[in-house]
Amino acid sequence: DIQMTQSPSSLSASVGDRVTITCRASQSISSYLNWYQQKPGKAPKVLIYAASSLQSGVPSRFSGSGSGTDFTLSISSLQPEDFATYYCQQSYRTPYTFGQGTKLGI
Amino acid sequence: QVQMQESGPGLVKPSETLSLTCTVSGGSISNYYWSWIRQSPGKGLEWIGYIYSSGSTNYNPSLKSRITILVDMSKNQFSLKLYSVTAADTAVYFCAREEVGSCSGSNCQNWFDPWGQGTLVTVSS
Repeated sequence: DIQMTQSPSSLSASVGDRVTITCRASQSISSYLNWYQQKPGKAPKVLIYAASSLQSGVPSRFSGSGSGTDFTLSISSLQPEDFATYYCQQSYRTPYTFGQGTKLGI
Repeated sequence: QVQMQESGPGLVKPSETLSLTCTVSGGSISNYYWSWIRQSPGKGLEWIGYIYSSGSTNYNPSLKSRITILVDMSKNQFSLKLYSVTAADTAVYFCAREEVGSCSGSNCQNWFDPWGQGTLVTVSS
């Protein structure tokens, strides 16, 4: 299986901050990398697919970059609704696998 | 707008079979891949497997010996059976559609969207 490792596991930030979350794959996955946001009691919601494509309806303050094994999710100016847990997921090969999550808190 | 809803028992006894159904509304189940994903505190998010509308399946090897995923086109539903459950199978179970994007050869970009709201299944006697 392809292992996905996120860092940090948790992050404290303030409204207006720029934050970056990193995801590393155990082998090259080209650009087959997706990012999800999950709020308590809700299902994950896709933010970024194919490493850098913004899902329709997602604010432009979210952006993704990377290819191969190293990827980043950036939020340019944190809003109150952005405090949540973020997951990366590889879709290069089954079994699809997720990172362990990054909890973004105040 | 496609919506998905999981249904099934919230409590299952050890060694018995977990059975869940995902009902798709607002769109056809045809020509898509449909997945089951679970989330537990101990193992995070885990992809269980998918079924294509034609009935072809792909299962996570870690669960392959214990699962069956089926599709019912007439009801616009797909289902999950997980056999011989233990406490380790306690989790929130989600159903999700695989959205497909651009392809390079036989490999296509894909991501999970939308998701059902999830249903908690507890394995306990």
